[in-house]
Amino acid sequence: NAGVMQNPRHLVRRRGQEARLRCSPMKGHSHVYWYRQLPEEGLKFMVYLQKENIIDESGMPKERFSAEFPKEGPSILRIQQVVRGDSAAYFCASSPNTQETQYFGPGTRLLVL
Amino acid sequence: AQTVTQSQPEMSVQEAETVTLSCTYDTSESDYYLFWYKQPPSRQMILVIRQEAYKQQNATENRFSVNFQKAAKSFSLKISDSQLGDAAMYFCAYHNNAGNMLTFGGGTRLMVKP
Repeated sequence: NAGVMQNPRHLVRRRGQEARLRCSPMKGHSHVYWYRQLPEEGLKFMVYLQKENIIDESGMPKERFSAEFPKEGPSILRIQQVVRGDSAAYFCASSPNTQETQYFGPGTRLLVL
Repeated sequence: AQTVTQSQPEMSVQEAETVTLSCTYDTSESDYYLFWYKQPPSRQMILVIRQEAYKQQNATENRFSVNFQKAAKSFSLKISDSQLGDAAMYFCAYHNNAGNMLTFGGGTRLMVKP
């Protein structure tokens, strides 16, 4: 059973460009969570999705950030018009339900030049 | 809002010795889950151990065990017979019964001396 997959593993963007981060949950998991980790800090929750629905986006900035988890395909975290402060590691996690453990992908390291 | 505090930014242990990492949390909930995750230099987040708050028995996974004190809201991780591969950042995390999100502590960097 493959783990949580994220791609790309590393992404370099210039200020003002768009970043698209992809996450494929573990097989059988319909709950996806996105977290952001700034250097030397812990992970901070951004958004929680189930198939086709955003359940909780309380940790995601209102502007420039969006997330989706379509019926088919991976979950996408999209950052428009990136700024240097968006440079961070973005982790996706998945679980089969809300009481089960969240398993993490390897993360995407975003660097904004 | 729930908060998780790890008061030890760095810890050091001699190989084969035992070390305890501290974690406290704040919540008004009675039913919740606690976790320790390990983040090695690869930065992959690896589950170490999980504790359900309704269980009085402390969780154990091989060399890793916890001391869960619900009344004190304390959840420490004990690593026995430390190995060089245990060197990593360790994060304590909490989620409530609704399980919408994990709330993480700031982490403890564990160094293992040969």
